[in-house]
Amino acid sequence: QVQLQQSGTELVKPASSVKISCKASGYTFTSNYMHWIRQQPGNGLEWIGWIYPGNGNTKYNQKFDGKATLTADKSSSTAYMQLSSLTSEDSAVYFCARSDVGGGFAYWGQGTLVTVSS
Amino acid sequence: DIQMTQSPSFLSASLGNSITITCHASQNIKGWLAWYQQKSGNAPELLIYKASSLQSGVPSRFSGSGSGTDYILTISNLQPEDIATYYCQHYQSFPFTFGSGTKLEIK
Repeated sequence: QVQLQQSGTELVKPASSVKISCKASGYTFTSNYMHWIRQQPGNGLEWIGWIYPGNGNTKYNQKFDGKATLTADKSSSTAYMQLSSLTSEDSAVYFCARSDVGGGFAYWGQGTLVTVSS
Repeated sequence: DIQMTQSPSFLSASLGNSITITCHASQNIKGWLAWYQQKSGNAPELLIYKASSLQSGVPSRFSGSGSGTDYILTISNLQPEDIATYYCQHYQSFPFTFGSGTKLEIK
């Protein structure tokens, strides 16, 4: 069965960077787009961008240009998102999610909580 | 960016009843709309895609309809496990955007 397993909670300092991971299993990693979504405390959902692991192509929400960098390692079927120049506004739960041909995100990771605090 | 206006923000209904949640897009999204259920502390789960297609494994109590700019999620025969927040999301163009959510309470 399809599973997306994300890395654990991160407590990081302002102005630093963090890299979170999303390990995929149960399907061919290079055949589906992997998306990243942010959910700030008590707030709704924001789409950050996608990566196509088959060729490394990426697409970002302009709001996150320069903030998020998406990469993928085909050898380990793992997608990564690096967040840079962190501020308290970046404190949130970050999800990876796989899209399918029909659209929508049918498979989600469990979420990674990132807390930015000095 | 396409704005997704979801209403109501909060909904209280009785077990066994039906409810509807609406989502209005700021431009024609041509049916490229999904609905999600998010229970407290969990990742969202896909209910409906392409406006009206039921995701595998989702109870048939959930249904979606609409076209153009206006879409509806209907939940019939409300069950206790339906307590959650519901979101719409378009994928017509980049960036994908979500509605602000509808929190459903059972009376």
